[in-house]
Amino acid sequence: DAGVIQSPRHEVTEMGQEVTLRCKPISGHDYLFWYRQTMMRGLELLIYFNNNVPIDDSGMPEDRFSAKMPNASFSTLKIQPSEPRDSAVYFCASSPGLFLSSYEQYFGPGTRLTVT
Amino acid sequence: KNQVEQSPQSLIILEGKNCTLQCNYTVSPFSNLRWYKQDTGRGPVSLTIMTFSENTKSNGRYTATLDADTKQSSLHITASQLSDSASYICVVSSGPGTYKYIFGTGTRLKVLA
Repeated sequence: DAGVIQSPRHEVTEMGQEVTLRCKPISGHDYLFWYRQTMMRGLELLIYFNNNVPIDDSGMPEDRFSAKMPNASFSTLKIQPSEPRDSAVYFCASSPGLFLSSYEQYFGPGTRLTVT
Repeated sequence: KNQVEQSPQSLIILEGKNCTLQCNYTVSPFSNLRWYKQDTGRGPVSLTIMTFSENTKSNGRYTATLDADTKQSSLHITASQLSDSASYICVVSSGPGTYKYIFGTGTRLKVLA
């Protein structure tokens, strides 16, 4: 299995531009998570989906952030308009189950976003 | 307030030595506790997952302990190797009822030759 795939790996954009990050989860995993990681705040869960349905988006920082999962093999995280404080590494992860001990999350390589 | 605190923030040790990383949490209700290893420029990788009833869990040279009474966990690394240089993140899951992941800010470990 190729694991969780994210694209692009690096994104540099100017303030005010729209940014779209993409994720392909591991086949057969019912849960998909989007995280943001910064030096100051560490890892933060932004949103997660179960069977393509958003379950908890309480971690999404502002209305400028939106996430979709149109099918079981694809998800996007969009920032519009982007701001310099959005600069971070964004991780996507997938899991076959949620919080039971036997279920692990598998993280993608991340997208490093820089907003100038 | 649900919190996870890790110590130390950073640690430097010599190759071959042992070390112990600490995680204290105030999360309720408790579901499970995970330790992740994150290499620079990579996503986190799970090392161990422990539920309330588990006191110890090993994964090779990594041994995690959990004291649910004092709400403390530790990750012990035996005979450290250069490849152990990474950040180690403690994550506590709350639930059932309100399922949440609460992340520690991590311990950055550097192993020197």
